Amino acid sequence: EGQLVESGGGLFKPGGSLRLSCVASGFTFTNYSIIWVRQAPGKGLEWVSYISRTSNFIYYADSVKGRFTISRDNAKNSLYLQMSSLRAEDTAVYYCARRRSMRPPGDAFDLWGQGTMVTVSS
Amino acid sequence: EIVMTQSPATLSVSPGERATLSCRASQYVSTNLAWYQQKPGQAPRLLIYGASTRATGIPARFSGSGSGTEFTLTISSLQSEDFAVYYCQQYNNWPPYTFGQGTKLEIK
Repeated sequence: EGQLVESGGGLFKPGGSLRLSCVASGFTFTNYSIIWVRQAPGKGLEWVSYISRTSNFIYYADSVKGRFTISRDNAKNSLYLQMSSLRAEDTAVYYCARRRSMRPPGDAFDLWGQGTMVTVSS
Repeated sequence: EIVMTQSPATLSVSPGERATLSCRASQYVSTNLAWYQQKPGQAPRLLIYGASTRATGIPARFSGSGSGTEFTLTISSLQSEDFAVYYCQQYNNWPPYTFGQGTKLEIK
């Protein structure tokens, strides 16, 4: 089945930076595209970023474009989200999730991590 | 961007009864639609993909239907563990992936 485990959250100041990590186990990480999704307190789900299996396709939500950078290290079964120029509205639980297959035009996300909380406050 | 609209925002149903949740897309998404369940303090869990295919391990009481712009998630006989928030998500035209705002299914 597999597992995704996020880390790196905490309390950060506006304008600051941090890097989230998501470590995969129990499946062949290189076979899957991965996304980051966030959920502000008491709110719904918001897609943040997408990275393909070999990092050749990368996309961002408009709300984070130019501030966040997604990357992966397939040798380490790891996904990252570098977050900079933090804003209060970036406060959320951040989840990584695995795309179920590569069928076009897209597919659902069948494996999710437990999430890591990022709080941006002075 | 495709906007996903779920209704109702909150649905009150008694255990053992049927629950019907709706999701509407602002543009055609074919059957590229998923449903997720989220319980408090937990990550979302995939229930349905392809509008009507149950994910691995999902009980048969969960069913999805629809295509194009109108979709329905039906839970045939509610169990106590089914009370949660449900989200629909389209993956026909992305980026961005878009989710509905969620329907909270609560005990009546």
